[in-house]
Amino acid sequence: AQKVTQAQTEISVVEKEDVTLDCVYETRDTTYYLFWYKQPPSGELVFLIRRNSFDEQNEISGRYSWNFQKSTSSFNFTITASQVVDSAVYFCALGLYGNKLVFGAGTILRVKS
Amino acid sequence: DGGITQSPKYLFRKEGQNVTLSCEQNLNHDAMYWYRQDPGQGLRLIYYSQIVNDFQKGDIAEGYSVSREKKESFPLTVTSAQKNPTAFYLCASSMGSGGTDTQYFGPGTRLTVL
Repeated sequence: AQKVTQAQTEISVVEKEDVTLDCVYETRDTTYYLFWYKQPPSGELVFLIRRNSFDEQNEISGRYSWNFQKSTSSFNFTITASQVVDSAVYFCALGLYGNKLVFGAGTILRVKS
Repeated sequence: DGGITQSPKYLFRKEGQNVTLSCEQNLNHDAMYWYRQDPGQGLRLIYYSQIVNDFQKGDIAEGYSVSREKKESFPLTVTSAQKNPTAFYLCASSMGSGGTDTQYFGPGTRLTVL
């Protein structure tokens, strides 16, 4: 069975703090994809990143970075120097060939000024 | 601008009524999806379509129906058989099918049953 666990229901930080959102996935497939989406208060899901299971290189995009570790089945997301505009719900998702996306329950991030 | 549009943004329904939620995309994507989101929960797949005139049930299809007569359109009907339809509904599309291509989402429709 495929499963995505985002153990942190809600995180609160003060602006400029760094914050890491955890994502742990379960699958027996050797080929799969991992995604992160951001859902601001407006409701629309915004795509952030897509990684395949063969690419374990960490990725950095501005203040965002992602750490993919197959050994621990984790795909964690770090925001450096958080800003109020980062406040949103963040979803991690697992995708497999011939199958649908499996979403985690999401982590609510609140960044206070 | 390419993207996905959903209408209406807010919808109110009386019990026993069917309502149809619109989803249109101009991304030339083959696959389209409907998800339901309840407060504090992740997204659950209702229906998906990989090509025109074909669609498959997702995890929670009971009480819903869809059609895919055109590549760019994938309307969702919430029928009176859906026992608890109050939720946020999101439409998505992707170039290919399955869980490997990136899905892009519309702004959502918030349905409330009065």
